[in-house]
Amino acid sequence: ILNVEQSPQSLHVQEGDSTNFTCSFPSSNFYALHWYRWETAKSPEALFVMTLNGDEKKKGRISATLNTKEGYSYLYIKGSQPEDSATYLCAWGSGYSTLTFGKGTMLLVSP
Amino acid sequence: EAEVAQSPRYKITEKSQAVAFWCDPISGHATLYWYRQILGQGPELLVQFQDESVVDDSQLPKDRFSAERLKGVDSTLKIQPAELGDSAMYLCASTRTSETQYFGPGTRLLVL
Repeated sequence: ILNVEQSPQSLHVQEGDSTNFTCSFPSSNFYALHWYRWETAKSPEALFVMTLNGDEKKKGRISATLNTKEGYSYLYIKGSQPEDSATYLCAWGSGYSTLTFGKGTMLLVSP
Repeated sequence: EAEVAQSPRYKITEKSQAVAFWCDPISGHATLYWYRQILGQGPELLVQFQDESVVDDSQLPKDRFSAERLKGVDSTLKIQPAELGDSAMYLCASTRTSETQYFGPGTRLLVL
């Protein structure tokens, strides 16, 4: 079984702190790496899809990088806000539309 | 903005009972997925449809789970009989391409 690992499991920061999470995945048979944000009682929301080694994506205060050769991706949040509190999931795509998810990183941002 | 719809949002049932979940994907999305997320784990694929055809159901416990998408639009996932270990969040997602999957809010199932 090929695993997708996310760290840390959970994180508690203060408003204004910057933070980052790690997603590690098998470097073989790589197709795409997805990041999702999942707020309580809502649908998981797609943040980024990255396919190329060295990809960097940005959406507001959130950005992500991708290293397919060593099998990791970082998600950065600059100046965390309470509304950023959510579980952040990464998913490794090894083929056409097949995703393997990590367990997620639960972020809590306190005012 | 179009969304994936799921119902019910919450379901409590007793073990050995039958339960069914419904999903209506975003219009025009040919591919539909059912995932199960057990507390503390990531979502795991149960079944994938391309239009009305099953593409992948290798992780679907076929002795008690069934899924259908008869007209290639909405889909139903059924569990009969439900077991305590089936307590989980059941997520539906759809996509038009092989990239972003769009998720519904899920159905949280509790089996007593």
